[in-house]
Amino acid sequence: YVLTQPPSVSVAPGKAASIFCGGNNIGLKSVHWYQQKPGQAPVLVIYYNSDRPSGIPERFSGSNSGIMAALTISRVEAGDEADYYCQVWDDNNDHPVFGGGTKLTVL
Amino acid sequence: EVQLVESGGGLVQPGGSLRLSCTASGFSFSNHWMNWVRQAPGKGLVWVSRIKSDGITTNYADSVKGRFTISRDNAKSTVYLEMNSLRAEDTAIYYCARIYSGTYSLMDFWGQGTLVTV
Repeated sequence: YVLTQPPSVSVAPGKAASIFCGGNNIGLKSVHWYQQKPGQAPVLVIYYNSDRPSGIPERFSGSNSGIMAALTISRVEAGDEADYYCQVWDDNNDHPVFGGGTKLTVL
Repeated sequence: EVQLVESGGGLVQPGGSLRLSCTASGFSFSNHWMNWVRQAPGKGLVWVSRIKSDGITTNYADSVKGRFTISRDNAKSTVYLEMNSLRAEDTAIYYCARIYSGTYSLMDFWGQGTLVTV
């Protein structure tokens, strides 16, 4: 199972950024999103498409419908600059799969 | 506080072996599946292996099957990754990640990683 993400997204501070994740019938899967800042470990920011772990700002939201899942960050801050990865479970091969990652640049 | 601390990384010659460890604290380790995920320099995240809470059921990525072995010691709250016949393409930061209880795919906490250079 292949997940496709854009390599990069740029956004001005205070604006909203959406990062998309595509896959075959992805709307039928549960999508998780991880944030990875340079030199740090990944951090879960959205799970089961749209749920937010405790401690993650409400500015982070997720959706999953049809052919695309999306992570949206509203009112982007400089501290949101990071790589973002989507992840699902590959039912055919019985293991998790990550997207290639999207580098979010705050202008 | 949940903590995962990896160790055992280092520089090894092609064909060599290493054993990575990930020691957990702050939660009931024996109740959770555990994953190993790696990240080659400048690249994305790639799942490597996982082990069930009882230590019996394991899965591996095709790229490491037959060369890597995952195991755990619940008494020591530690998961291991024995890596043999190492190749240059195994060079990566190796992270252990906890799988959220009751799920099989949600990695809710990650360690800081240990670097393996082949």
